[in-house]
Amino acid sequence: AQSVTQPDIHITVSEGASLELRCNYSYGATPYLFWYVQSPGQGLQLLLKYFSGDTLVQGIKGFEAEFKRSQSSFNLRKPSVHWSDAAEYFCAVGAREYGNKLVFGAGTILRVKS
Amino acid sequence: NAGVTQTPKFQVLKTGQSMTLQCAQDMNHEYMSWYRQDPGMGLRLIHYSVGAGITDQGEVPNGYNVSRSTTEDFPLRLLSAAPSQTSVYFCASSRTQGNTEAFFGQGTRLTVV
Repeated sequence: AQSVTQPDIHITVSEGASLELRCNYSYGATPYLFWYVQSPGQGLQLLLKYFSGDTLVQGIKGFEAEFKRSQSSFNLRKPSVHWSDAAEYFCAVGAREYGNKLVFGAGTILRVKS
Repeated sequence: NAGVTQTPKFQVLKTGQSMTLQCAQDMNHEYMSWYRQDPGMGLRLIHYSVGAGITDQGEVPNGYNVSRSTTEDFPLRLLSAAPSQTSVYFCASSRTQGNTEAFFGQGTRLTVV
């Protein structure tokens, strides 16, 4: 079955430090991938997406992610974290071969210390 | 520009009660879906619809019903609430099913006692 793994439940970084959130997937087909962010008490907002083409994608708020097919990964990065980036981050994966149903990872909670 | 609107934001039910969570979108999106969010489990798909009159089950459909009589509305019904249905529920819509951005509502926090 399809699965999405976000290995880190919590991550704490200092403001101004770089960030990498990991996402690994298990799919028997070519997937499309998303990263969403959820602030406390809010819905999910799309940060970026990968459908095809250039494997390095840029998103909003200075985030980027790289699709690595050989590693089945789609890690999210930001060079310098701001206190306002504290939130929960979800990786989501879908594929036409699996009915285009999105499967979400369990989420990573990011804490930013000043 | 409302996007996806969910009501209510909070609800407390007694075991065995029924209720309907409302979801409406004003973007003329074909695809709508309901998810539940539980700690450490991410979002799991309950039901989805690819257009008016068409619905299908997701990963965790038991105990829930849906209907899609119009493009705009996609209500989720809890038939007989159970404590295991305590969760945060999100409605989402997207232009089509597949590799298009999903827009999420603000969520409904449901507690079943």
